[in-house]
Amino acid sequence: KQEVTQIPAALSVPEGENLVLNCSFTDSAIYNLQWFRQDPGKGLTSLLLIQSSQREQTSGRLNASLDKSSGRSTLYIAASQPGDSATYLCAVRPVIVSGGSYIPTFGRGTSLIVHP
Amino acid sequence: GAGVSQSPRYKVAKRGQDVALRCDPISGHVSLFWYQQALGQGPEFLTYFQNEAQLDKSGLPSDRFFAERPEGSVSTLKIQRTQQEDSAVYLCASSLGQGELFFGSGTQLSVL
Repeated sequence: KQEVTQIPAALSVPEGENLVLNCSFTDSAIYNLQWFRQDPGKGLTSLLLIQSSQREQTSGRLNASLDKSSGRSTLYIAASQPGDSATYLCAVRPVIVSGGSYIPTFGRGTSLIVHP
Repeated sequence: GAGVSQSPRYKVAKRGQDVALRCDPISGHVSLFWYQQALGQGPEFLTYFQNEAQLDKSGLPSDRFFAERPEGSVSTLKIQRTQQEDSAVYLCASSLGQGELFFGSGTQLSVL
């Protein structure tokens, strides 16, 4: 069974810092990995999707990398701002094999606070 | 529609009441997932539909939980005889096959 771990669980930083959020997974047979942002009381907003054949994806100040063989993904946030304060979640989608699971598995998230 | 739509946004139920939560996925999205999210936790899988077929319901916590997607579009998650431990945010997500997942805003269920 796939297990996804996110470290750290919580992070509080001053504005302007560059941040690294980590996501690790136990089964490397993944189809893709997706990073989400969740604001309090809201649903999940997709940030970046990395296919298993890709090494990284970038969107603005966000960069996500994937090392499938070691079971790790990193979300890098450059020049953090108070508006980046939210919970960041990663989800791993499995390769579909006969009799196997279709189900994306989530980590518990990293709660980020960026203070002015 | 433009995004995944869930209703109601908030639901307060008395213990023992039945509730029905609705999810309207992005048009054309074959895959539909229901997740349950407790405060401070990641989403936990409940059930999965591919079109109208419920391919996996292994995450439903008890037989009080029932989900359907009769025409392969809108889905309803029904909880019978609600209990306090059912209080959580219920999230719906859809995708085109194995592609990017898109979530609705969720339904926050409070059982008193």
